Amino acid sequence: KAGVTQTPRYLIKTRGQQVTLSCSPISGHRSVSWYQQTPGQGLQFLFEYFSETQRNKGNFPGRFSGRQFSNSRSEMNVSTLELGDSALYLCASSLAAKNIQYFGAGTRLSVL
Amino acid sequence: SQQGEEDPQALSIQEGENATMNCSYKTSINNLQWYRQNSGRGLVHLILIRSNEREKHSGRLRVTLDTSKKSSSLLITASRAADTASYFCATDAAGNKLTFGGGTRVLVKP
Repeated sequence: KAGVTQTPRYLIKTRGQQVTLSCSPISGHRSVSWYQQTPGQGLQFLFEYFSETQRNKGNFPGRFSGRQFSNSRSEMNVSTLELGDSALYLCASSLAAKNIQYFGAGTRLSVL
Repeated sequence: SQQGEEDPQALSIQEGENATMNCSYKTSINNLQWYRQNSGRGLVHLILIRSNEREKHSGRLRVTLDTSKKSSSLLITASRAADTASYFCATDAAGNKLTFGGGTRVLVKP
C-alpha cells in the first residue's frame, strides 16, 4: 500500500510569510502526528490528530496550527515565519498515536 | 528534557563490527520503539518491545529492555555501510504521542 506522502518536499519562504504543509497518511490510518526536526533541538512533537480532532499538542507557539480532514489527510500551517522555523517537518501516520508510526519523507522548510 | 536520551550521541565503527547504543527514559512505559533515519529523510520503524518483554530480535537487530533501570539497548550485529544512519528510541509517554530521544548517529566505515 502507498506510504505517507508529504508535499511539498522543499520550500523556501521569507520571514513574515506563512506556509502550509500537507500530509496524506496511509489508507486506514486515522492518527496523524507532526514533528519538527532541527539540528539543535532534535525531533520535537508538534501535534497529533485523530478523526479530525487534535488530541495532543507540543510546546510550540500559536503560530503553529494544524487540522485534519474527514479523509484523514492533514495540514499544518505556520504563520509569521521566523528564521528559527527552518527545519525538516515530518508527518507520521498510525492506527493509534502510540502505535508504530509510519513517517513521510518530510518537508524541508528554509526561512530566509 | 526529553523522555528518551540516547547514548552515545555518535558512534563510528568499521564494517563487520557490532554497534551498540543505549536509551534511557524517565517515566513508566507500555512499550519502547526504535527507529532509523537516513540523512534528511523520514524515520523508519525498526522494532517495538513491550514493557513485559526483556529481549527481542529482528534480523541483525537485538533490543533489550530493563524496566527497573528504565533503559533499553539496540545492538546491530555485523554492521554494513548501509547501516549508517541516526537511530532514535521512542517511548509512549503520557498523552497520545510518542516521545523521541535525541538520537545516536552511527557511521559505518567500509
